[in-house]
Amino acid sequence: GQQVMQIPQYQHVQEGEDFTTYCNSSTTLSNIQWYKQRPGGHPVFLIQLVKSGEVKKQKRLTFQFGEAKKNSSLHITATQTTDVGTYFCAAIKAAGNKLTFGGGTRVLVKP
Amino acid sequence: NAGVMQNPRHLVRRRGQEARLRCSPMKGHSHVYWYRQLPEEGLKFMVYLQKENIIDESGMPKERFSAEFPKEGPSILRIQQVVRGDSAAYFCASSPHPDMNTEAFFGQGTRLTVV
Repeated sequence: GQQVMQIPQYQHVQEGEDFTTYCNSSTTLSNIQWYKQRPGGHPVFLIQLVKSGEVKKQKRLTFQFGEAKKNSSLHITATQTTDVGTYFCAAIKAAGNKLTFGGGTRVLVKP
Repeated sequence: NAGVMQNPRHLVRRRGQEARLRCSPMKGHSHVYWYRQLPEEGLKFMVYLQKENIIDESGMPKERFSAEFPKEGPSILRIQQVVRGDSAAYFCASSPHPDMNTEAFFGQGTRLTVV
């Protein structure tokens, strides 16, 4: 079955620093979505990327979809304590019908 | 427009009992997906339903688990004869379009604890 791998599993970040989380698939993806889940909460949609090489920004968050549509990244600049949570990428395989989630990157911010 | 509603939020069951988890999708959404999340892990797909139809149940365990989405009323995920390993958070998501090619809206989840 389709595998969506996310690294790193854990990210300890000093407040104010930048970090990146990566998402990789063994198969070509139709699209990729990113979600954030706060501790004890539920996944909340952040963004969807559809086009090869697409880059989207949301304030301090930059999302990128690889040229081959097999990988994606989320880069956060100037990390804040509000960024704490788990960031999941979720992908739909080409001609697929459901989201397959990566294992998530758990972000802890040190003040 | 209320979001995806799941109930109960927390459910405690003894081993061998039945657990029934309910999900009411957002208004106008006819596509429902159930996911299971173990602590410190990602979300594992279980089943995709449309009204009165199971579209994809490739993630459902073959025994003890069943799901339905009747014409009227919420979607139900049913776990019979629960075991400790069933303890997890179960999330329901709904979408207005098939194939989740658009934003999926998740409910707050039901946290099942089997004692």
